[in-house]
Amino acid sequence: GAVVSQHPSRVICKSGTSVKIECRSLDFQATTMFWYRQFPKQSLMLMATSNEGSKATYEQGVEKDKFLINHASLTLSTLTVASAHPEDSSFYICSGTSGRYNEQFFGPGTRLTVL
Amino acid sequence: AQSVAQPEDQVNVAEGNPLTVKCTYSVSGNPYLFWYVQYPNRGLQFLLKYITGDNLVKGSYGFEAEFNKSQTSFHLKKPSALVSDSALYFCAVRDIASGTYKYIFGTGTRLKVLA
Repeated sequence: GAVVSQHPSRVICKSGTSVKIECRSLDFQATTMFWYRQFPKQSLMLMATSNEGSKATYEQGVEKDKFLINHASLTLSTLTVASAHPEDSSFYICSGTSGRYNEQFFGPGTRLTVL
Repeated sequence: AQSVAQPEDQVNVAEGNPLTVKCTYSVSGNPYLFWYVQYPNRGLQFLLKYITGDNLVKGSYGFEAEFNKSQTSFHLKKPSALVSDSALYFCAVRDIASGTYKYIFGTGTRLKVLA
């Protein structure tokens, strides 16, 4: 299967800091990328879908001014958590896909802790 | 609306015994079904998928799943469980109706294999 990486794998920051998480497709061109949030012992919650070169489509209840998504190239999408607060602490997972696949390929996740 | 149900929050099985993790789905058309496994603080690892073809799908690490259209089920099975199989398992269906690659995830089932 295709490979997706995320960086960083873990970040600890102070409240009010903005944090950027990168998601890269290493061996394929991801025309579509997804960003998920996962709370402890819970399922994945889709935050947004991004298509390369277009604005992201956010799920209901997700603040687009808080969670800024940029999909500037076919191999890179970024999620910026603006002015992070402790309630933003979570595990963030990205995935990518393209028209040649029937499935999504998931990154290893980023653990964000806001103090 | 399309949906996925994993009726068991946790499944306990003795090492060496067969295991089953249940999944049922509701979709308007032909389903694309997936199983993923997640270890602590890690992303999702692909196990297997059903798109079309044989109802019995074989996947990674000795897992298999049977697509049952009449029962709208896609249960994950393994003939002989290992302690290392202990993890969180997610069933997902691709939301074809949305015209996107979006997944609908089940709530997850924690598998505990006892030595």
